[in-house]
Amino acid sequence: DTAVSQTPKYLVTQMGNDKSIKCEQNLGHDTMYWYKQDSKKFLKIMFSYNNKELIINETVPNRFSPKSPDKAHLNLHINSLELGDSAVYFCASTQDWTGAYGYTFGSGTRLTVV
Amino acid sequence: AQSVAQPEDQVNVAEGNPLTVKCTYSVSGNPYLFWYVQYPNRGLQFLLKYITGDNLVKGSYGFEAEFNKSQTSFHLKKPSALVSDSALYFCAVRYGAAGNKLTFGGGTRVLVKP
Repeated sequence: DTAVSQTPKYLVTQMGNDKSIKCEQNLGHDTMYWYKQDSKKFLKIMFSYNNKELIINETVPNRFSPKSPDKAHLNLHINSLELGDSAVYFCASTQDWTGAYGYTFGSGTRLTVV
Repeated sequence: AQSVAQPEDQVNVAEGNPLTVKCTYSVSGNPYLFWYVQYPNRGLQFLLKYITGDNLVKGSYGFEAEFNKSQTSFHLKKPSALVSDSALYFCAVRYGAAGNKLTFGGGTRVLVKP
């Protein structure tokens, strides 16, 4: 069983479109994250949820809206896609909010905006 | 603000030789430090962490890292590198006052040659 699964794995879309990426973890973890990895492999946190509650919202444009219907799911919706949104988006989860545990990452969603 | 630096973009090593990947951090207080590895087109995998206790921590795949508070470093080491260790390695720091989020270094590409 995949611990943290993201769908879709690849997403190619035109500028101005709206798209969603889904993430699910079956580890029973309380905390989930979205990270963005750019073309230079730099990783930057976008959002964090703990038990469905938004905890971290890093300076991300309002076009990005996360939603956590329950603690096992964290989805990312992106409105009015721009070329600069092209990146690999990683979902991750960790046991709790203490930070003492490692993260488990999904395999990533490669978003290409054309 | 917390930060972590990986001074080498790439490390080349011959198979069987020792491997070292450098990481330095900049936080006040006591950091939680992590190493992750990323294989091509995959998500990050947790290797090891330092929270407290013994400065030398052992992790997956024969890797270890030494926490050095005076030098604010957390270098990753492996006594004998394998070709299969070729990947992208990320150091990360979590500092409590910043909330439970990991700040990642820029990554170091390791190439192990047969």
